[in-house]
Amino acid sequence: QKEVEQNSGPLSVPEGAIASLNCTYSDRGSQSFFWYRQYSGKSPELIMFIYSNGDKEDGRFTAQLNKASQYVSLLIRDSQPSDSATYLCALGDTGGFKTIFGAGTRLFVKA
Amino acid sequence: NAGVTQTPKFQVLKTGQSMTLQCAQDMNHNSMYWYRQDPGMGLRLIYYSASEGTTDKGEVPNGYNVSRLNKREFSLRLESAAPSQTSVYFCAAKFPGQGAEAFFGQGTRLTVV
Repeated sequence: QKEVEQNSGPLSVPEGAIASLNCTYSDRGSQSFFWYRQYSGKSPELIMFIYSNGDKEDGRFTAQLNKASQYVSLLIRDSQPSDSATYLCALGDTGGFKTIFGAGTRLFVKA
Repeated sequence: NAGVTQTPKFQVLKTGQSMTLQCAQDMNHNSMYWYRQDPGMGLRLIYYSASEGTTDKGEVPNGYNVSRLNKREFSLRLESAAPSQTSVYFCAAKFPGQGAEAFFGQGTRLTVV
């Protein structure tokens, strides 16, 4: 079992809709979780991080964490064509030095 | 501030050739990383350096070597390139600790023919 699992997609949503991206992980010791966005041909950039169970909101983005279920998600409200990218779920490993990435979910927002 | 800088951006090698990918950061981060990214595989860790003077293997270290030259620089060497090493390579830097953000270089697209 991979440490971080994501549906590769593509996930296609119409402009203005809510995009829901999901991720599961295997290391129960992980305490920090990240969502990176990667545009085609570019490097990943951090858009959200979450450490505690529950929801964390930042503008149109909401990260959700459920440690009991080992599940983290990203909601994008009012999706825009500029949100079309690959979204990488990641976690900080228990040793504190490594960031472990999922394979990413490709999101397409149709105008 | 340039952040994390990788060179070169593109490279084509013949099977068996060697090359070194360079990475430098001006963010004063302790930890540096080399990842490769292949379609459907996400980012896989090749090697990392938790701090100056230390290096450790990641998930896919075979065929690679690294050098942490100083706090700023972390290079990745392919001694005898193979077609299986065709990939996009990313260098990253961050502070130690689970909660630290990783900052990435712009990537090197390597093709081995």
